[in-house]
Amino acid sequence: ETGVTQTPRHLVMGMTNKKSLKCEQHLGHNAMYWYKQSAKKPLELMFVYSLEERVENNSVPSRFSPECPNSSHLFLHLHTLQPEDSALYLCASSQALAGGTDTQYFGPGTRLTVL
Amino acid sequence: GQNIDQPTEMTATEGAIVQINCTYQTSGFNGLFWYQQHAGEAPTFLSYNVLDGLEEKGRFSSFLSRSKGYSYLLLKELQMKDSASYLCAVLDSNYQLIWGAGTKLIIKP
Repeated sequence: ETGVTQTPRHLVMGMTNKKSLKCEQHLGHNAMYWYKQSAKKPLELMFVYSLEERVENNSVPSRFSPECPNSSHLFLHLHTLQPEDSALYLCASSQALAGGTDTQYFGPGTRLTVL
Repeated sequence: GQNIDQPTEMTATEGAIVQINCTYQTSGFNGLFWYQQHAGEAPTFLSYNVLDGLEEKGRFSSFLSRSKGYSYLLLKELQMKDSASYLCAVLDSNYQLIWGAGTKLIIKP
């Protein structure tokens, strides 16, 4: 049990659908992250939030929209996705504000398939 | 550009020792992490090295040479449950984590 939960664990959606991924951390951390993990590729950092403010947006297409209502919750809203967006989406959190050496703790991920 | 290299896949025998290498070229260095990821599960933290040398933690050890841009993860007395992917990641000068693609370790009886 890592203290970071994600729902749903699996999601299949059409290109015209709108869906949201949810992440919750129970560790009292101040920073939260969204990553994309594709097969045999390095983890790609998508967004970073520090104390509910977005501090990083790595040129992610606008069809991905993050939301961080409080320091424990992070959402990724999805709309008009493409088949190449199919991947494992991982949420992580760390104790300190983003930009330090603190270990990141990951959730189990959402396996997304776009048809 | 920034780059992390590690072997794609390795195979080892139960009870044996395996060394997974990681080389990096990054803009600055603020530490190197190793994570373990079982299929379909979250990556979990194994080790963090920021100074040269060997850090031992039970059956797992991690080594760092900053001058060579090189690290390895050493797994001893391999068990079937050690079958997983092992991810190497480096904190660059901006404290951004740069990730390798991971090494899939297959343990055979």
